[in-house]
Amino acid sequence: AQSVTQLGSHVSVSEGALVLLRCNYSSSVPPYLFWYVQYPNQGLQLLLKYTSAATLVKGINGFEAEFKKSETSFHLTKPSAHMSDAAEYFCAVTQDSGYSTLTFGKGTMLLVSP
Amino acid sequence: DTGVSQDPRHKITKRGQNVTFRCDPISEHNRLYWYRQTLGQGPEFLTYFQNEAQLEKSRLLSDRFSAERPKGSFSTLEIQRTEQGDSAMYLCASSLDLGASNYGYTFGSGTRLTVV
Repeated sequence: AQSVTQLGSHVSVSEGALVLLRCNYSSSVPPYLFWYVQYPNQGLQLLLKYTSAATLVKGINGFEAEFKKSETSFHLTKPSAHMSDAAEYFCAVTQDSGYSTLTFGKGTMLLVSP
Repeated sequence: DTGVSQDPRHKITKRGQNVTFRCDPISEHNRLYWYRQTLGQGPEFLTYFQNEAQLEKSRLLSDRFSAERPKGSFSTLEIQRTEQGDSAMYLCASSLDLGASNYGYTFGSGTRLTVV
């Protein structure tokens, strides 16, 4: 079985501040992990994915995430928030290398204030 | 190619009516997925196709739900005898799976269903 827990349904930061969105996973085998972003009334866009090649994964728009097996975590960070980063972020896990089914967390809404 | 297209974007229906949604994937993608997203939740897997074969269905996909991908291209998701609990965003995604590697999902913008 696999599951994802995202801590904090809402995170507020000021423009220019560090963004940290937390994701902890549960998986009985080495997982594949993803972060997606969703803007209002739109589908999900892939930010980055972990596929065991490297523990620090760089994605689009300046985001990165670090896979920590000992902590079963895959937190998403960005050094400096921009107003355009305001959106909902989802962490997802799968045990299947073919990505046939993804299990998503409940999401974290990122609010960015000027 | 403009990505994954879903039609309609919004659908309001009365309880008990049948509805059908369409998804057009990226043309070279052999896999197509349906997910459902309710308010305040992440997407939940419903079913997926490899070409025209439906390979997996979630227990969330009750017998009122049916999905098809007749020629391995577009797909339809039908809900019969809609209930208020069916109100959700229905997301379609596609991917290119080559056995040894999958290049990841591309999601459509979704169809928002409201059952009144």
